[in-house]
Amino acid sequence: NAGVTQTPKFRVLKTGQSMTLLCAQDMNHEYMYWYRQDPGMGLRLIHYSVGEGTTAKGEVPDGYNVSRLKKQNFLLGLESAAPSQTSVYFCASSYSSSSGANVLTFGAGSRLTVL
Amino acid sequence: GQSLEQPSEVTAVEGAIVQINCTYQTSGFYGLSWYQQHDGGAPTFLSYNALDGLEETGRFSSFLSRSDSYGYLLLQELQMKDSASYFCAVRDGDTGFQKLVFGTGTRLLVSP
Repeated sequence: NAGVTQTPKFRVLKTGQSMTLLCAQDMNHEYMYWYRQDPGMGLRLIHYSVGEGTTAKGEVPDGYNVSRLKKQNFLLGLESAAPSQTSVYFCASSYSSSSGANVLTFGAGSRLTVL
Repeated sequence: GQSLEQPSEVTAVEGAIVQINCTYQTSGFYGLSWYQQHDGGAPTFLSYNALDGLEETGRFSSFLSRSDSYGYLLLQELQMKDSASYFCAVRDGDTGFQKLVFGTGTRLLVSP
């Protein structure tokens, strides 16, 4: 059971370049998320999806786009990378437990550096 | 919107008990969760409180007081492996959907 898999794990970009981060989950979860984590700022939600074919903006969506063409995949795109997008990106998927908790399972993270 | 406040760092020694506090402000409330993250790792789910009181899971317990908009994570019999960052999180109540908003995290340092 792989859980949530993110690729790539590391990437260095030059300002203005584009790239896509890939996230795949094998738990049949409906909900998927992209967070970024910066020192001292915790986890901030970029975009999320409540199901195949749907996406919505989170707290910090500017400069990013997402797509959820298949239930198991959630892609995060940077069309024109900026140094401010240097961060660690986490993908997560979730289900609701019997207690009502929204339990997120995170991928291992993708460390992106924009020069 | 939502905001959560946690101490930035807590230190303790092995075998001790430590409490990590979290205060929150939300427009709607659907429970308080706690996640643990070791350096270089991914956050992992620890506990969830929807109602007032204490929830216990082994050495870890989590408490919630909805009237005070306050909760805490209690770690007992501390071990070196408990050195990590701990995040509280609340569900976004504005839209009713279950997206989580995280606090900025508390770094716990356990020394021998």
